[in-house]
Amino acid sequence: EIVLTQSPGTLSLSPGERATLSCRASQTFSSNYLAWFQQKPGQAPRLLIYAASARDSDIPDRFIGSGSGTDFTLTISRLEPEDFAVYYCQQYGSSPLTFGGGTRVEIK
Amino acid sequence: QIQLVQSGTEVKKPGASVKVSCKTSGYSFTGYGVNWVRQAPGQGLEWMGWISGYNRNTKYAENFQGRVTLTADTSTSTAYMELRSLRSDDTAVYYCVRGGGSFYSKRNFDSWGQGTLVTVSS
Repeated sequence: EIVLTQSPGTLSLSPGERATLSCRASQTFSSNYLAWFQQKPGQAPRLLIYAASARDSDIPDRFIGSGSGTDFTLTISRLEPEDFAVYYCQQYGSSPLTFGGGTRVEIK
Repeated sequence: QIQLVQSGTEVKKPGASVKVSCKTSGYSFTGYGVNWVRQAPGQGLEWMGWISGYNRNTKYAENFQGRVTLTADTSTSTAYMELRSLRSDDTAVYYCVRGGGSFYSKRNFDSWGQGTLVTVSS
């Protein structure tokens, strides 16, 4: 099973600042099938990025996915008030599919 | 638009079973799979398994092997997740999530149900 380690656990930033979230995998997996999700309290997760760098429909271009192999990054270029949430990475290139433990982005 | 609408909250006793439904609309059910993911209170996400809407093939996470069964009814575009021998640590929100055209698809997990809270308590 591929273990995904997200860091930091919590990121305290102000609106307008840049957020950099890391996701490291314990081994490589097929096709860089790495996704990022955003989850707000009481809501289902929402797909932001798939295949490491492809933005899903209607996702603002301030969300940028990058990386390959075992190291992946989600960058939010300028935080908007609605971006404060928990973010999860997921690999879907090797069964069992696995999620990282999440990074909480909170208002400083 | 694509929708996945799940059945309502369940309260079960330890040892019982629960069956959650996920009615889909807005897309061709047989062209995609359905994944199931759960989230314990205050915790992260855990993948449980997948069923193909095309041929009803399944894949299960080892943690749930033998205790979970995924089924699909193509006539109603509805997927089901049954979990047996419930324990208190099965208390969680259970989500159905649209997969891709095959298990390993480039675009995956793009639409989520609203979640079903299953509480296991004596």
